[in-house]
Amino acid sequence: GESVGLHLPTLSVQEGDNSIINCAYSNSASDYFIWYKQESGKGPQFIIDIRSNMDKRQGQRVTVLLNKTVKHLSLQIAATQPGDSAVYFCAERGGGSNYKLTFGKGTLLTVNP
Amino acid sequence: GAGVSQTPSNKVTEKGKYVELRCDPISGHTALYWYRQSLGQGPEFLIYFQGTGAADDSGLPNDRFFAVRPEGSVSTLKIQRTERGDSAVYLCASSLYLQPRVAGGELYFGPGTRLTVL
Repeated sequence: GESVGLHLPTLSVQEGDNSIINCAYSNSASDYFIWYKQESGKGPQFIIDIRSNMDKRQGQRVTVLLNKTVKHLSLQIAATQPGDSAVYFCAERGGGSNYKLTFGKGTLLTVNP
Repeated sequence: GAGVSQTPSNKVTEKGKYVELRCDPISGHTALYWYRQSLGQGPEFLIYFQGTGAADDSGLPNDRFFAVRPEGSVSTLKIQRTERGDSAVYLCASSLYLQPRVAGGELYFGPGTRLTVL
């Protein structure tokens, strides 16, 4: 019979490689963006954020790049580890007084040892 | 310190029944959010509170859904006459301030309540 799958974009990398996860957003008024990591059975966990007046921000082993021209966001993870295996979501918050987060569909990252 | 906690972790109910889902935010956090996550999807906004008042409930799907936060801390999401389409993981999050663009505005999510409506 037909099965219903997650249909998540997936990325499989080898331990130690760099990972790049991409996200397209649609609201040109969004002025704040966040990447979350979600492990199975847990709530999303904040990784890194960036404001729209920036195009790059770095954290520990992670870098977020923002291209407002094409409304594209990416998360780069350096030296990917098995513990990085999870679903990664980008989220945007609209400008002004809009405090709601709108999440993308997510990307499943699998790190092979 | 303790994070956001949600109870129950799992709830199975029958179509037409009433359910309550509880969220205990991080102590001192003034903003509280409810999201719903279906399988393979990102979380979908339902409602958020600043203190005791619902600042924005535009994400509640219909009038069967209602949420309260009477003392500005614990919140309860209430669903009447549950339907099979309500089955999802209900996530609660809190933040120190409502303003997300400054330090302390990040959302901290709880583990969620998995609701299954048979």
